[in-house]
Amino acid sequence: DAKTTQPTSMDCAEGRAANLPCNHSTISGNEYVYWYRQIHSQGPQYIIHGLKNNETNEMASLIITEDRKSSTLILPHATLRDTAVYYCIVRVANTDKLIFGTGTRLQVFP
Amino acid sequence: NAGVMQNPRHLVRRRGQEARLRCSPMKGHSHVYWYRQLPEEGLKFMVYLQKENIIDESGMPKERFSAEFPKEGPSILRIQQVVRGDSAAYFCASSPTGGIGSEQYFGPGTRLTVT
Repeated sequence: DAKTTQPTSMDCAEGRAANLPCNHSTISGNEYVYWYRQIHSQGPQYIIHGLKNNETNEMASLIITEDRKSSTLILPHATLRDTAVYYCIVRVANTDKLIFGTGTRLQVFP
Repeated sequence: NAGVMQNPRHLVRRRGQEARLRCSPMKGHSHVYWYRQLPEEGLKFMVYLQKENIIDESGMPKERFSAEFPKEGPSILRIQQVVRGDSAAYFCASSPTGGIGSEQYFGPGTRLTVT
C-alpha cells in the first residue's frame, strides 16, 4: 500500500508557482521521497527525489520538512504542459519497487 | 540517447490467446521493472529483473504471467491465456543501477486490450 497522502486535485494559474503537498508521516529514516508525473496516458516521468535536504533541479524544487513527515513539490512557473497527475512516492528501503498512490491531478489554466 | 522503448504500443488479443510485451531499456541500463496500470488507477509494481535474473517478482500474479530479461535482447513480459481483466497499460522502466536513490526511467507503455 502507498505510504503517502496527497490531495486528489489542484488548480494553478499559468505562470504561477504550483505547490503540491504530500504527507508521509510513517516514513523511515533511510527512505527517500520521489516525485513522478504522468501526462495524460504517457509513461511516468521522473521529476526529483530527496532524503532529508531540500533539492532543486531544472524541473522543480523539493522541500522536505525537518521531521520528514511531509514534503512539497514546487513547480516555480507552471505552464499548460505541466498539467498532469503528480505522484509522491516513498521509496521502500531495501527494495527497488516504486509504490504509486492515486496522486494529485494538477490542472494548469491560462 | 534513445529512451526506454516498448513494443507494441497497442496490442489486441482475444481471450485465451498469449500476449508478449517487449521492453528495450536505455543504453547502459541493466535493471528493468514492469508495472501495470488499470484504467483510472495508479501504477502497480509487477516485477524487477536484472540481466538474466529475477530480483523481485512480488507483484506478479501467480499464474499465467512470466517475465524474462535475457543476456541479449529485450525484456519480455508474457501473459498466457489472457482474460478481459488483463486489459491495462503495461509500463516498463529501466535504471543504470539498482538500489534506493536510483531513478527509474519509464517507457511509453503497451496498451493491451483483451476482447
